[in-house]
Amino acid sequence: DGGITQSPKYLFRKEGQNVTLSCEQNLNHDAMYWYRQDPGQGLRLIYYSQIVNDFQKGDIAEGYSVSREKKESFPLTVTSAQKNPTAFYLCASTPPGFPYGYTFGSGTRLTVV
Amino acid sequence: QQQVKQSPQSLIVQKGGISIINCAYENTAFDYFPWYQQFPGKGPALLIAIRPDVSEKKEGRFTISFNKSAKQFSLHIMDSQPGDSATYFCAASGRGGGNKLTFGTGTQLKVEL
Repeated sequence: DGGITQSPKYLFRKEGQNVTLSCEQNLNHDAMYWYRQDPGQGLRLIYYSQIVNDFQKGDIAEGYSVSREKKESFPLTVTSAQKNPTAFYLCASTPPGFPYGYTFGSGTRLTVV
Repeated sequence: QQQVKQSPQSLIVQKGGISIINCAYENTAFDYFPWYQQFPGKGPALLIAIRPDVSEKKEGRFTISFNKSAKQFSLHIMDSQPGDSATYFCAASGRGGGNKLTFGTGTQLKVEL
């Protein structure tokens, strides 16, 4: 079945560590997105990519980095510069013919320990 | 900054009742207004969407009402069921936005027996 796979489902990070969240899609979608979800704040856009080897900052990009070397993959790195990384992270993608038709993954819950 | 304001933050409805969630937007360039449903530990899933050229769209028990002049739209869930208990997000997107969705802050709906 086509879809978006996010891994791991749960991730624990120590202070000062970088961690990378995986997002893989087999939907042949061009555009991919990373959102952060916090209670009471909805979903906020971190980074997005509309094509391979190109990506743009969203509203809260500070402390995060991404790469888009393959169409299927859009990993997110949470760096030590992100002061409050504990959150639920969601990856999404959209097809070229329906740019607003977001498909979301099941998310990664990141906790700082 | 583009915003979508959503209310209420939480809602309790009796089984069989009508659930109503409201959203307001500021950017008149928005031309697509989806609603997403999210269950705990899962990513959001597209529920229903509307474009501003119509005032209402109905799919089963779910209806979007759209008021372009007031820049408001709402989700009505008729005959609410316990299985509808979830978090609902409104969103908006439009021209020049890079297909990015701007989300409301979410409404936690609980349908009681």
